Amino acid sequence: EAQVTQNPRYLITVTGKKLTVTCSQNMNHEYMSWYRQDPGLGLRQIYYSMNVEVTDKGDVPEGYKVSRKEKRNFPLILESPSPNQTSLYFCASSSPQKETQYFGPGTRLLVL
Amino acid sequence: GQNIDQPTEMTATEGAIVQINCTYQTSGFNGLFWYQQHAGEAPTFLSYNVLDGLEEKGRFSSFLSRSKGYSYLLLKELQMKDSASYLCARFSGGYNKLIFGAGTRLAVHP
Repeated sequence: EAQVTQNPRYLITVTGKKLTVTCSQNMNHEYMSWYRQDPGLGLRQIYYSMNVEVTDKGDVPEGYKVSRKEKRNFPLILESPSPNQTSLYFCASSSPQKETQYFGPGTRLLVL
Repeated sequence: GQNIDQPTEMTATEGAIVQINCTYQTSGFNGLFWYQQHAGEAPTFLSYNVLDGLEEKGRFSSFLSRSKGYSYLLLKELQMKDSASYLCARFSGGYNKLIFGAGTRLAVHP
């Protein structure tokens, strides 16, 4: 089954404690992306990757890092989380034409 | 959402038709998407319009006018399961950055 998976699905952490949210897709997609979703603001793009070792900033990259060492994986790293990073995070992947993005199930993060 | 406007909330009756509008800035336009998102779930793709006109997919249709920076999603024969948020999105600066509107929360009542 074609899918995008994220782990963990739910996470409560404290300010400053480094964390990583994993994202994996099994569709051999080149393009992957991370979004955060906040009430009233909609989905905002954090980082995207056009292929292995090729990443670039989206609209809200501050406080986040990503890496793309393999085609299927695109982890999101919060080196020093802060409460304003409390949000719902979605990973997505798409084919080269980018006509359809497939979203993962989401990771709900609470930073205390 | 940045440069994309859509109503915050709408209500409709089961079996009726509803139109959800979306306006956007026309500069650098490369296509417009509609996604459906049920509460607590991931967005799912509904449509992608590049050319002007209406595209129909079953009960859902999407319209685009590039010159007016305007799109709408038309939902016919509404069902209770259509209660969800509907997200309008467009590419920004090429095909790598996708900008979403804040979404329209649709409530379908019996």
